[in-house]
Amino acid sequence: AQRVTQPEKLLSVFKGAPVELKCNYSYSGSPELFWYVQYSRQRLQLLLRHISRESIKGFTADLNKGETSFHLKKPFAQEEDSAMYYCALYNTDKLIFGTGTRLQVFP
Amino acid sequence: GAGVSQSPSNKVTEKGKDVELRCDPISGHTALYWYRQRLGQGLEFLIYFQGNSAPDKSGLPSDRFSAERTGESVSTLTIQRTQQEDSAVYLCASGGAWTDTQYFGPGTRLTVL
Repeated sequence: AQRVTQPEKLLSVFKGAPVELKCNYSYSGSPELFWYVQYSRQRLQLLLRHISRESIKGFTADLNKGETSFHLKKPFAQEEDSAMYYCALYNTDKLIFGTGTRLQVFP
Repeated sequence: GAGVSQSPSNKVTEKGKDVELRCDPISGHTALYWYRQRLGQGLEFLIYFQGNSAPDKSGLPSDRFSAERTGESVSTLTIQRTQQEDSAVYLCASGGAWTDTQYFGPGTRLTVL
């Protein structure tokens, strides 16, 4: 069965520290993976997708098929990065979301 | 154009009452999703509509929950005989046909007293 796992409910770091939000997936085909973000009092929105190989707001995510992972990374966290982050897998016609990780960046 | 809209933004109801939540998707989007987000929890998939296909209801938690969509327009999520554990933010999202990006509405915060 297709599944997305985010093992950490909460991740707390200090400003300037590196961040890695973990995401693992199970999928039999060639996965399409995404990260969505929800800032306080804002709508959930797309952050980045793996096929674009883009860096958004300093975040990157590399698909590792061997480890079935799609971890989100940023070398130097900022306070404005504090938000809820969801990893998602596109399965034919719908997205399957993980349970999310809340990132807290302290000054 | 306008994004996904949801109404009401807040709903307070008494235990045992029925509620209806509304979602207006982005015009032209054939896919529509409902999610539930309990306080401090992640996204919980409820139901998915794609065009005129039969909806995927696999996420509905009980038979008190139902949803309808007329064509490719408005959708309503109905919760009958509400319980306190139904208190949550209910999110709607829409997307284009066979595309992967979902656009989320602001949500409806439901409080069951």
